[in-house]
Amino acid sequence: DAKTTQPNSMESNEEEPVHLPCNHSTISGTDYIHWYRQLPSQGPEYVIHGLTSNVNNRMASLAIAEDRKSSTLILHRATLRDAAVYYCILSHPHTGNQFYFGTGTSLTVIP
Amino acid sequence: NAGVTQTPKFQVLKTGQSMTLQCAQDMNHEYMSWYRQDPGMGLRLIHYSVGAGITDQGEVPNGYNVSRSTTEDFPLRLLSAAPSQTSVYFCASSYGNLAGETQYFGPGTRLLVL
Repeated sequence: DAKTTQPNSMESNEEEPVHLPCNHSTISGTDYIHWYRQLPSQGPEYVIHGLTSNVNNRMASLAIAEDRKSSTLILHRATLRDAAVYYCILSHPHTGNQFYFGTGTSLTVIP
Repeated sequence: NAGVTQTPKFQVLKTGQSMTLQCAQDMNHEYMSWYRQDPGMGLRLIHYSVGAGITDQGEVPNGYNVSRSTTEDFPLRLLSAAPSQTSVYFCASSYGNLAGETQYFGPGTRLLVL
């Protein structure tokens, strides 16, 4: 299964944009890229997902490299509530929603 | 909708005891799964189900049993608890099992095995 690589931790100032990187150099052509986040003492929650094109929703944007070997989750204006562990996950048609969670990136938002 | 609910929120067991972690969803989702999360780690898949009557093993199935008799419920059974099963357990559901589906996670059950 294709795996992802993320920095262990990042910091951001409140109200500034945050770019969370993810490398997935062994991604296949049919793998979806998902981002979930986990707030302290809560279950993971969906943030965004995409296949080939960049995606936007009310929470974030997902920028996917042209060769799809990396992607970036963009939080346009970080708030204290965005402090969480962010997971970049690949899903393949053969395995569907059997997610492999790495250790993710722990985001600290500085007031 | 209540979404995905899990009971209990916290449980303490002695080694060798058995228990069932409950998971229910009211979104008519076909796909349900169980994960465990150890301190400082990401979630690992224990078992999953693609519909009532169908279950399969995930990455770390040993020591756990599941069954799926209804669409709504997906209980996880520990037959003989061990300290290594001390963890936080999350249940998740999604409409289907396609690669692009969104999963919804419950709030978790914290289990301590002494």
